[in-house]
This record gives sequence, C-alpha cells and structure tokens, in this order.
Amino acid sequence: GENVEQHPSTLSVQEGDSAVIKCTYSDSASNYFPWYKQELGKGPQLIIDIRSNVGEKKDQRIAVTLNKTAKHFSLHITETQPEDSAVYFCAARGYSGGGADGLTFGKGTHLIIQP
Amino acid sequence: SQTIHQWPATLVQPVGSPLSLECTVEGTSNPNLYWYRQAAGRGLQLLFYSVGIGQISSEVPQNLSASRPQDRQFILSSKKLLLSDSGFYLCAWSRQPQETQYFGPGTRLLVL
Repeated sequence: GENVEQHPSTLSVQEGDSAVIKCTYSDSASNYFPWYKQELGKGPQLIIDIRSNVGEKKDQRIAVTLNKTAKHFSLHITETQPEDSAVYFCAARGYSGGGADGLTFGKGTHLIIQP
Repeated sequence: SQTIHQWPATLVQPVGSPLSLECTVEGTSNPNLYWYRQAAGRGLQLLFYSVGIGQISSEVPQNLSASRPQDRQFILSSKKLLLSDSGFYLCAWSRQPQETQYFGPGTRLLVL
C-alpha cells in the first residue's frame, strides 16, 4: 500500500517569512495529493490539492509542487501570518480502478508562526 | 451547500462499555463516507469506508465496526471499548471515490 512521509514534524518561522513542508510517497500510481490544515480541536480542512497531470498549483499565498519522478510534493506558504499556525497534513491517494479509497496521510507538521 | 455533522463532540467512556458515534451529511446524495482515527501526535488512519447503504469496507482489523443504515448516515460502533480506542474520530465524505474528501468536526473519545 501507499506510504507517505512528511517533514518536518515541527516548523517555526517568523511572521512574513515563507514556510515549506515536504512529503514523499511510495506508490507511483498515486494520482491525487491534497493538503489539509487542522486547527486545534477541529477537523482537517482542505486548503489546496494537486493531481498528477499538473506540476504546480497556486492559490494566493499557498502553492503546491509535485515531482512525480522523485515521488515528492511540497506545500509552500508565503508571507506567513499568525492565522497560518496549525497542523498541516499531506496525503496521497492511489488509483485502484474505482474503489472508494481513503487517503494515506503523512503524520503532520506543526507550523508555528512567530510574531 | 454540503455540510457534515458529527456527534457527540466529546465522549468519555469506561473500558468495556459500548460506543456509538454518528456522522450525517447534508446537501448531497449517495456520498462516499469514511471513518478515520487520529491518535495524538500521529496522522489520520482510515478505519472504514462506504460507497452505499449497507456497504462497508474495513481497512484495518480492530475492535470497532461501522454501519450505514441510511444514505447520508454513517455510524461507528463498538461492543466493548478498549483503552487503545481513545482518540479523535473523524468522518469524511466525497462525491465520488476519487474526488476530494471533506471532513467533519470530529469526536474526541477518551476511554478510562
């Protein structure tokens, strides 16, 4: 099955600086890579996703890049703000011919924005 | 718009007691439904998923079971809770198997 590794487990950056979180996956058939933001005591919320036919996707201050050859993808947050502080999860999903697959998640990165 | 509800929000149960967590989705029909567990400091682990009423697939062997009695209702159950069942339980839905999953607010379960 799929295995997703996420680094770092904790990331502290100064407000206004950029933050980068990286994930690797094992299943070369994986074709969908969402990123979720989870605030304390709440369910994860989708913030951006990318499919395997695209190398990069951007939404305002958030961008995701995908390198299928190396089997890794990254989340980039620019001009970080205090409200960006949360736990971020990457995930990957393979294709199994129509099965209702769940996502395989990384273990999460606790992003701390220092004022 | 679609919304997903979970209850209760928090639950404290003694070891050996039964469990029933409920998840409902509004604003869509025939959703794919998922149960995940999140242990402290760890990622999310898929427990069960369902593509339709009465259709349940289990991802990992465990002390829990799931049922889908109605199209937009997904229930997580246990006959006898273990200490290791403590965690944050999340329900999610998607329109199609390969589409984006949206999570509910979660239920925090503490087994004492």
